[in-house]
Amino acid sequence: DIQMTQSPSSVSASVGDRVTITCRASQGISSWLAWYQQKPGKAPKLLIYGASSLQSGVPSRFSGSGSGTDFTLTISRLQPEDFAIYYCQQANSFPRTFGQGTKLEIK
Amino acid sequence: EVQLLESGGGLVQPGGSLRLSCAASGFTFSNYAMSWVRQAPGKGLEWVSGFSGSDDSTYHADSVKGRFTISRDNSKNTLHLQMNSLRAEDSAVYYCAKHRTAGAWYFDYWGQGTLVTVS
Repeated sequence: DIQMTQSPSSVSASVGDRVTITCRASQGISSWLAWYQQKPGKAPKLLIYGASSLQSGVPSRFSGSGSGTDFTLTISRLQPEDFAIYYCQQANSFPRTFGQGTKLEIK
Repeated sequence: EVQLLESGGGLVQPGGSLRLSCAASGFTFSNYAMSWVRQAPGKGLEWVSGFSGSDDSTYHADSVKGRFTISRDNSKNTLHLQMNSLRAEDSAVYYCAKHRTAGAWYFDYWGQGTLVTVS
């Protein structure tokens, strides 16, 4: 199975900050990577697919990059509604696997 | 508007069975692959089972292989997950999720989830 490791596990930031979350795959997955946002008690929301493509309706302050084994999610100017847990997910091979999550908290 | 509505969760004893359903609307259900993803309380996301969009093949995580079966009824726009031989570690919120496209396992719409408790 491909292991997805996110770092950091949690991060504190302020409104207006720029935040970067990293996801590393245990083996190469080309660009078969997605990022999701999950708020308490809610289902996950797709933000980025194909490592860098923005899902329709997602604000442009979210961006993704990377290929192979190393990927990043960047939020350029944090808004209050961005405080949530973020997960990466590989879509390269079975079983599909998620990272353990990164909790983005308000400083 | 795409809507996914799960049902069938509940409390079941270890070794028991449950059948989850997901009623889909707002899109042409038969044209899209679907998956089940679960989340144990306070834990992360785990993909469980899914249909391939290319040939309708089914896939399951090793943790549920041989115990869970995914199926779909395109005439009723419904996805199912038959869960047998349930274990305590299967306790989770189960989400059905629509694949963004037939060829890529990215989940663009999710239901609200249904809670399964094995105890």
